[in-house]
This record gives sequence, structure tokens and C-alpha cells, in this order.
Amino acid sequence: ELKVEQNPLFLSMQEGKNYTIYCNYSTTSDRLYWYRQDPGKSLESLFVLLSNGAVKQEGRLMASLDTKARLSTLHITAAVHDLSATYFCAVVLTSGSRLTFGEGTQLTVNP
Amino acid sequence: DAGVIQSPRHEVTEMGQEVTLRCKPISGHDYLFWYRQTMMRGLELLIYFNNNVPIDDSGMPEDRFSAKMPNASFSTLKIQPSEPRDSAVYFCASRDGPGTEAFFGQGTRLTVV
Repeated sequence: ELKVEQNPLFLSMQEGKNYTIYCNYSTTSDRLYWYRQDPGKSLESLFVLLSNGAVKQEGRLMASLDTKARLSTLHITAAVHDLSATYFCAVVLTSGSRLTFGEGTQLTVNP
Repeated sequence: DAGVIQSPRHEVTEMGQEVTLRCKPISGHDYLFWYRQTMMRGLELLIYFNNNVPIDDSGMPEDRFSAKMPNASFSTLKIQPSEPRDSAVYFCASRDGPGTEAFFGQGTRLTVV
């Protein structure tokens, strides 16, 4: 059974600081997705990572994938309050289509 | 495209009643997923369809839950009879092919009292 674990689950940080959220998964996969969810809202797709070594950047967020280590990271640069949300990673097995989500990381950026 | 459309947005029902949640996927998408989100269990995949055919329903909690996709533009998730522990936000998502991201609807917040 595929397990997806995020670390940390809760993150409180100051504006202007950098931090990294980690996503580990237990079984071979070469497709990983990052989503953002604001309170009471739906999930918004941020990044699609489809191969080992893939790196995507959008604004202050950068995501990367290391399929050999079964690890993805979401790096936040110079955080701003608008980035406060819950961030989910989701993994699809190489052999399947089922999208399995991590527990989510609740990020709070304080002024 | 208007995105994935779910209805209703909110549903409050009494225990024992039948509840039907509806989803219209993005046109042309051949995968449709139903997820349930709760504080305790996070995002759980209930069932997914490919080309209207149920592929994996191992996440459906029990026989009280059923899902159908009669055509490419419509799916339902039915709970009968409903119980308070079914209270959650139910999301529908669709995607175009196995390598693309899934797009989520706004969700249905279900409260069973």
C-alpha cells in the first residue's frame, strides 16, 4: 500500500524567511503533484512533477522530485502572508492512476 | 470550461435519510475521482472512474455508499442511509490522462444530524 507522509504537518514562520516542506512516499512513483488549499476552499493545483530531477518554480515556491529517494520538496523563499494555506503533495504509482494524498502541511506566515 | 461542478454546495440532512451528491467533470476528461475530507482522516479516495467505468472502489466505506457514472459528463455519489459519521466535505475531481493533474470541484459540505 502506498503511503505518503509530509513533514512538518504544521509550520509557523515569519515573513521573509525561507523554509522547506518534505513529502516522502513508500513505493515507486514518477508522478507527484503539489496542491494548495485555503480554509473552506477547494484544492488548487500548484505543480506537476513527472520525472526524476524535475524542478518547477512559481513565484516564491519551488518544487523538486527525487524518485530514487522517494522524496519531493516544496521550498518557500522569502515567505509572505498570502502563502498561508495548507499544502498537500499527492503521488500516483507508476503502474496506476490512483492519486494518494499526504496529510497536508498547514502553513502560517506571520507578519 | 467552468471547471468541475459539484452540487449541492452544502447539504444538511437527518440521520437515516438518503443523500445524493452530483458532479460534472471537465469536458473531455476521462478520469473522475470522488474524495472525502475530514479533520481526522484527511483526504481519502473513495472511488475513481476511467471512461465511465469504476476502476477502484476500495475506499468506499461500506455498502451504504454507492457511486455511478452513467455518462462522461455526470457522476453521483449516494449515501443511504446516512449517518452522522458521514459528515465531511466531499470533493469530485477530474483529469485528462494519467500524467496530468486532477482538477477539483468546490466540494459539497455534508452535515448529517
